[in-house]
Amino acid sequence: DGGITQSPKYLFRKEGQNVTLSCEQNLNHDAMYWYRQDPGQGLRLIYYSQIVNDFQKGDIAEGYSVSREKKESFPLTVTSAQKNPTAFYLCASTGQYNEQFFGPGTRLTVL
Amino acid sequence: AQKVTQAQTEISVVEKEDVTLDCVYETRDTTYYLFWYKQPPSGELVFLIRRNSFDEQNEISGRYSWNFQKSTSSFNFTITASQVVDSAVYFCALSGDILTGGGNKLTFGTGTQLKVEL
Repeated sequence: DGGITQSPKYLFRKEGQNVTLSCEQNLNHDAMYWYRQDPGQGLRLIYYSQIVNDFQKGDIAEGYSVSREKKESFPLTVTSAQKNPTAFYLCASTGQYNEQFFGPGTRLTVL
Repeated sequence: AQKVTQAQTEISVVEKEDVTLDCVYETRDTTYYLFWYKQPPSGELVFLIRRNSFDEQNEISGRYSWNFQKSTSSFNFTITASQVVDSAVYFCALSGDILTGGGNKLTFGTGTQLKVEL
């Protein structure tokens, strides 16, 4: 089945550690996105990529980094510079009519 | 700047009641796109509908219907005969003109928590 997968589903990080969240899609979509969701709030854009080897900062990029070496993959690294990383992270890709399809999400908790 | 407002933080209804979720948007683009997503307790966002700014026809899909009114910058979502399975957070979102590069980013509202009880 075509879709977006994210791993792991739950992730625990110690303060000062970098962690990488995986996002893979087999929908052949060019554009991919990372969002952060905090309790009771909407989604905020972290980074997005329209093509391989290119990406742009979103509204809250500080403390995060990404890469886009393959069309199918768009991993997100939460660095130690991110002061409050505990959140729900959602990856998405864009379909033919600009609708975004989302993965199941990763819940990151800082211990 | 684009903005989406969902003033209703939480709505509780009894099963079989109709319920309308409000969405008001702000944009300077003449071409733009509006979306509704459903987020069940599992967390994954489910795409429900996309509407472009030139199509003001209302749309109905089963128990779901959408009312788009440019004059009031609103894109409201109605669930008819609500069911317990409709319980979720619903997000309204807005993107700009694809051709001018504004369509890459979605601006989300803060969501409306819908609780449908027996």
